[in-house]
Amino acid sequence: GAVVSQHPSRVICKSGTSVKIECRSLDFQATTMFWYRQFPKQSLMLMATSNEGSKATYEQGVEKDKFLINHASLTLSTLTVTSAHPEDSSFYICSASGRKNLANEQFFGPGTRLTVL
Amino acid sequence: DAKTTQPPSMDCAEGRAANLPCNHSTISGNEYVYWYRQIHSQGPQYIIHGLKNNETNEMASLIITEDRKSSTLILPHATLRDTAVYYCIVRGFNYGQNFVFGPGTRLSVLP
Repeated sequence: GAVVSQHPSRVICKSGTSVKIECRSLDFQATTMFWYRQFPKQSLMLMATSNEGSKATYEQGVEKDKFLINHASLTLSTLTVTSAHPEDSSFYICSASGRKNLANEQFFGPGTRLTVL
Repeated sequence: DAKTTQPPSMDCAEGRAANLPCNHSTISGNEYVYWYRQIHSQGPQYIIHGLKNNETNEMASLIITEDRKSSTLILPHATLRDTAVYYCIVRGFNYGQNFVFGPGTRLSVLP
């Protein structure tokens, strides 16, 4: 399957700071990228969907001014958590979808664990 | 997208087949059944998908009932590394459409 990477894999920051998470599709062009959040012992919850070159579409209850998403190219999307607070501590996972094959599966990154102190 | 129902947890002995059921009684004609799994603290991993025919790949087999209202994922020879949460997801075949994850089935492969 295709490879999607995330960086960093783990980050610890102080409350009030901003954190940027990168998501890269390494061997295919990702026309659409998705950002999910997963709290302990819970399932993945979609935060937003982004298409290359256009604004992201956010799910209900997700603050677009707090979670800034940029999908500037077909291989890179970034999620910036602005003014992070302890309640933003979570496992953030991106996935990418593109016209790589007919299966139309999404390829998921390894996740980024954010801890806000 | 149609909703799916899975048992919250299952155990399986190492080396035996693991059969994970999924109910999707409201599936529509153009919706596929996808299976992903998530090993602790990792991103979900694609396993297999199907429309109405049974499918097999190097990881697993997918058996879909004739009425398509349920399916079973089969891991033929479970290993300890197959311990994970398995998600059954029903979704239309449209590019750019997201997956909706339910709680999944936590499979524990026991030595």
